[in-house]
Order: sequence, then C-alpha cells, then structure tokens
Amino acid sequence: QKEVEQNSGPLSVPEGAIASLNCTYSDRGSQSFFWYRQYSGKSPELIMSIYSNGDKEDGRFTAQLNKASQYVSLLIRDSQPSDSATYLCAVNEGGGADGLTFGKGTHLIIQP
Amino acid sequence: GAVVSQHPSRVICKSGTSVKIECRSLDFQATTMFWYRQFPKQSLMLMATSNEGSKATYEQGVEKDKFLINHASLTLSTLTVTSAHPEDSSFYICSALAGEGTDTQYFGPGTRLTVL
Repeated sequence: QKEVEQNSGPLSVPEGAIASLNCTYSDRGSQSFFWYRQYSGKSPELIMSIYSNGDKEDGRFTAQLNKASQYVSLLIRDSQPSDSATYLCAVNEGGGADGLTFGKGTHLIIQP
Repeated sequence: GAVVSQHPSRVICKSGTSVKIECRSLDFQATTMFWYRQFPKQSLMLMATSNEGSKATYEQGVEKDKFLINHASLTLSTLTVTSAHPEDSSFYICSALAGEGTDTQYFGPGTRLTVL
C-alpha cells in the first residue's frame, strides 16, 4: 500500500515567519516528489517538484528531499496571508507517466 | 503555458442519470491524462490513467463500467459517470502531463458533481 503522510494541521504561522511543512512516504523506490497548493473549493496548483536529495529553491519556497529518510519538506519564507491554504505532498512512485499518490494535506494558516 | 480546462465546473443531476465531464489541454498536446476524485476533507485519489488512442487504466476499486473514460484526441479526455448515485457526489479533477518525457502534472479546475 503506497502511503504519503502529512500532518493535517492546522499549522498556524505569523506573517513574515517561515512555515515548515513535512511529508513522509512509504515507497522507497519513489522517483519524483511534488508540492501542490490547494485553496478551498479549488483544484491543486503546482508549487514545485524535486527529484534529487538536497534543497531546491524557487523564490520564497524551498523543497527539501531526503530519500534515505523518505522525507520531503517545504519551507515558505516571509509567509503571507495569501499563503493560507492546504498544501499537498504528492509522490510519483514509478517516475514517468504514472499517477500521483497524494497526502491528505496540511492546512496552513498565516496570521496577519 | 500548460493550461488545462474542465467542463462543466459544476453539475447537479438526479440519481440514475449519466454525466459527462470534459478535460482539455488548451496549449499543449497531452498523450496522458489522469482523473482524480476528492471527497470533502480528503485528499485526491487517482481513479484512472487515460492514454490517447488506447483503453484507460483504472485503479483498484474503481469500476470501469461505471466511470467511462475516452481519450479520443491529444487534447481531450472525457469521463462519463454512468447511472450516478448520491455516493458519486464528489469533486472530479483531471490532470495532464505537460509533455513527453515529463512527469509534471497540471490540473484542471475541477468539476463539482452533486447527485440528488
């Protein structure tokens, strides 16, 4: 059974602080990892992908991957109220044209 | 780039009727599209993988005769929920691979289905 685990939250962070979101996955052979943001009633929008161990930065977002620990994280710097949403971790176990396995998401609240 | 549309955005139907949902890639060709379903306060669950010109691949537990998928062109996949029942009420979301050799999926805006 492929599983992707996230703390459902809510995670409350003051505006301007760093929000840290975590995700673990069960399939050690997983190839690709994604973070999506989902606002209530909307579909997910891609924030970033990561494939190799280490950090990947894109603007205020940094994804971190540790395949040995089967752990993925997302850091959001200088958090803004507009960052308040549910953040979904998704894993592509096989790589290529496979569907994604999603975690249940972490509800993030940025307090003004 | 990589825009995916869905139609309709919202549909309400009576129990026993069939509903068709369209998923289109607007600015790229998608040989592979995916259909997901999301129940309230749950995450997205993959229903099936739709490949242009071939039969869809369904996930375990998803009835292929109830959820008919057709991917007749490189820009269009359709999902038909046949004989819909209230338990089929959900948020149906499609996605498309952005191109050959990529595994990044872009999602459509979703279709909210309510079966009375």
